[in-house]
Amino acid sequence: SQKIEQNSEALNIQEGKTATLTCNYTNYSPAYLQWYRQDPGRGPVFLLLIRENEKEKRKERLKVTFDTTLKQSLFHITASQPADSATYLCALGVWGYQKVTFGIGTKLQVIP
Amino acid sequence: NAGVTQTPKFQVLKTGQSMTLQCAQDMNHNSMYWYRQDPGMGLRLIYYSASEGTTDKGEVPNGYNVSRLNKREFSLRLESAAPSQTSVYFCASSGSGTGYGNQPQHFGDGTRLSIL
Repeated sequence: SQKIEQNSEALNIQEGKTATLTCNYTNYSPAYLQWYRQDPGRGPVFLLLIRENEKEKRKERLKVTFDTTLKQSLFHITASQPADSATYLCALGVWGYQKVTFGIGTKLQVIP
Repeated sequence: NAGVTQTPKFQVLKTGQSMTLQCAQDMNHNSMYWYRQDPGMGLRLIYYSASEGTTDKGEVPNGYNVSRLNKREFSLRLESAAPSQTSVYFCASSGSGTGYGNQPQHFGDGTRLSIL
């Protein structure tokens, strides 16, 4: 069956460092991958989308990579700040369908 | 700039009671979704509506019904609530865009539902 894995344990990093979050998948051939941020008590907020034919996507301090051979996406936040503390979700989708499948998310804590 | 609005924000029900969760979006999106989020399980799709007049089952549809009332509104109904349906429920919407699929989803802030 299809499976999406994100580190369910929290990731703690020092302010100013680069945070790297991982999204691995099995039995899945996604056409695109999305990353969302979720704050406590709030709904997820879309951050970035990367397609299967793209290796890397950037937006300000955020960078996403997508390796279809390794079946993995990496999400990087450079120069991390305490305000970046949140849970980050990856979601995978295929062409022709609006629905996506979400991972359980990784909680990031940036320590001042 | 309301985006996706969900009502109510909190609700406590007794086992066997029924209720309807309401969702409305003002972004003229074609697609709408209902998810539940439980600790350690992530977001799981209950039902979705690709366009007005259509609905389809998601991963966990048992015990739920939906109605796409019009393009703006998509409601979720629990006919006979069970403790296993205690969860946080999120509604989302997305546009169709130039490529079918891959459009980001916009979420409401959820309904926290407890069933005793």
